[in-house]
Amino acid sequence: EDQVTQSPEALRLQEGESSSLNCSYTVSGLRGLFWYRQDPGKGPEFLFTLYSAGEEKEKERLKATLTKKESFLHITAPKPEDSATYLCAVQASSNTGKLIFGQGTTLQVKP
Amino acid sequence: EAGVVQSPRYKIIEKKQPVAFWCNPISGHNTLYWYRQNLGQGPELLIRYENEEAVDDSQLPKDRFSAERLKGVDSTLKIQPAELGDSAVYLCASSLLGHIRNTIYFGEGSWLTVV
Repeated sequence: EDQVTQSPEALRLQEGESSSLNCSYTVSGLRGLFWYRQDPGKGPEFLFTLYSAGEEKEKERLKATLTKKESFLHITAPKPEDSATYLCAVQASSNTGKLIFGQGTTLQVKP
Repeated sequence: EAGVVQSPRYKIIEKKQPVAFWCNPISGHNTLYWYRQNLGQGPELLIRYENEEAVDDSQLPKDRFSAERLKGVDSTLKIQPAELGDSAVYLCASSLLGHIRNTIYFGEGSWLTVV
């Protein structure tokens, strides 16, 4: 069964304190791994797609990496505006129309 | 370019009442999704349309939920009758299936509270 597990469930950081969020997955043939950001009361906002092990993508203070079993979202020198829930999802080769999500990591960055 | 548009944004209804949500996908996107997100959880797929055809509705509770996508553009998701456990966010999303990236873009969601 395709499955995604994110850790930690919640993370509190001081402004400028770098850290990483983990997304572990099992899928029968990975088509793509997606990261989304979700602010309270909003829908998920697309951040990155990773397609193969070793691939990296960057956007401002965020960098996503991918291995054969997990993905990391690295946050460098975070700011309070980076506070949000970060969702990871996988898309299987056998069903490219469906995203399977983890439960998310809620990040709070304090000034 | 306009994103995925959903309405209403918020709805409070009494149990056993009906409710409907509307979605307008990104222009040109042939695939439309309805997801449900419970508090503290990730979204879960309810139904996926390719053009007008529902190609994956295995997770849609068909006894009370129904959906349609007229002319392969807008879509409506209906719940009748609503139960307390239906309180959740109903997210519509769209993508261009066949595109190499096939990124799925979400709307702001319709927040349903059943009392």
